[in-house]
Amino acid sequence: NAGVTQTPKFQVLKTGQSMTLQCAQDMNHNSMYWYRQDPGMGLRLIYYSASEGTTDKGEVPNGYNVSRLNKREFSLRLESAAPSQTSVYFCASSDGRNTDTQYFGPGTRLTVL
Amino acid sequence: GNSVTQMEGPVTLSEEAFLTINCTYTATGYPSLFWYVQYPGEGLQLLLKATKADDKGSNKGFEATYRKETTSFHLEKGSVQVSDSAVYFCALSPSGGSYIPTFGRGTSLIVHP
Repeated sequence: NAGVTQTPKFQVLKTGQSMTLQCAQDMNHNSMYWYRQDPGMGLRLIYYSASEGTTDKGEVPNGYNVSRLNKREFSLRLESAAPSQTSVYFCASSDGRNTDTQYFGPGTRLTVL
Repeated sequence: GNSVTQMEGPVTLSEEAFLTINCTYTATGYPSLFWYVQYPGEGLQLLLKATKADDKGSNKGFEATYRKETTSFHLEKGSVQVSDSAVYFCALSPSGGSYIPTFGRGTSLIVHP
């Protein structure tokens, strides 16, 4: 039982390059989330998927797209990376009820030059 | 909208000292309340939670009580250890709608031997 896995762990991009961050969970959770963590800002929600087949914008969606590929996988794509997207990105999953714990992946550290 | 306010850090303590990290929230209805902990280089993990008023969550010597009258969920530990050094996040999950969690900005705890 690996929980939530994310790839890659580290990535350096040049401005304008694109990349996809991968996330998978093996807990049969309905809901999945993408957050970014910046110093002094806490966690900010980028996109979420309440259930397979649905996605919705969070607090800071600009510059990102997501795909809920199936119940297990939820990817985050940066089409044209900008230095402002330098951050640590976390994927999380839960059963989607308000009493439920969120389970987080180990994070992807992204630097955009 | 929903919000979580927690005390700014860093909080610096000596080993065996008493810890309090304050957390207050704004939300309608009866949210669930959580404390997550993040160790260096890792994702967040659940420390404890409470899902209704007057509930006490506890784990690893940490405790927090859901106080609806003061909209608070303060984290306490009687005797901290060096291994408790981490960032602590207070969070709420609303009782209605999409159940999307709201996180505080995190409080860094540094424990010296």
